[in-house]
Amino acid sequence: GAVVSQHPSWVICKSGTSVKIECRSLDFQATTMFWYRQFPKQSLMLMATSNEGSKATYEQGVEKDKFLINHASLTLSTLTVTSAHPEDSSFYICSVVWSVPRAHEQFFGPGTRLTVL
Amino acid sequence: AQTVTQSQPEMSVQEAETVTLSCTYDTSESDYYLFWYKQPPSRQMILVIRQEAYKQQNATENRFSVNFQKAAKSFSLKISDSQLGDAAMYFCAYHKNTGTASKLTFGTGTRLQVTL
Repeated sequence: GAVVSQHPSWVICKSGTSVKIECRSLDFQATTMFWYRQFPKQSLMLMATSNEGSKATYEQGVEKDKFLINHASLTLSTLTVTSAHPEDSSFYICSVVWSVPRAHEQFFGPGTRLTVL
Repeated sequence: AQTVTQSQPEMSVQEAETVTLSCTYDTSESDYYLFWYKQPPSRQMILVIRQEAYKQQNATENRFSVNFQKAAKSFSLKISDSQLGDAAMYFCAYHKNTGTASKLTFGTGTRLQVTL
């Protein structure tokens, strides 16, 4: 399977600051990546679909101006949490998708734990 | 919209025994994939097994097998010869086959404990 990294693995920031999380596909080119958020003891909730070279597609209820996604290359997508608040504290996970014909396979990064004080 | 339901928040199994985790889903599609993912305490999501809806044969991966009942929209996971390392959260997930990248819909998860 694909190898996916995320950086940082954890981050603590002050309320009102912005935080950038990187998701890298290490061994293949990914045209599509997904960003998820997971609260403690809950399931993964899809936030947005990141497409290389185009705007991300956000799920209903996710503020696009707050969670900025940039998929500038086939190996890197970034999620920036702008003006973070304590309620943004969560575990953020990215996944990459194999290109067609295996477009149904997703491989996940190790996640980033964000704590906003 | 597709939904995935896992009715067992927690399950427990003794080491070396067999346990079955339940999953049901709701969809009007005929072409889709179903998955079981494992999330251990490290929180790294690991694919355990996948099933293509067009295949009648149940998928198996070593000690892991599924019981896929398409008409009943049921997709249970059986873990045989349970090991301590199987302790984790298990998520059932659905993916509509669109030929291009499509999102996963996850169930709420089942926490599996493995006891000695």
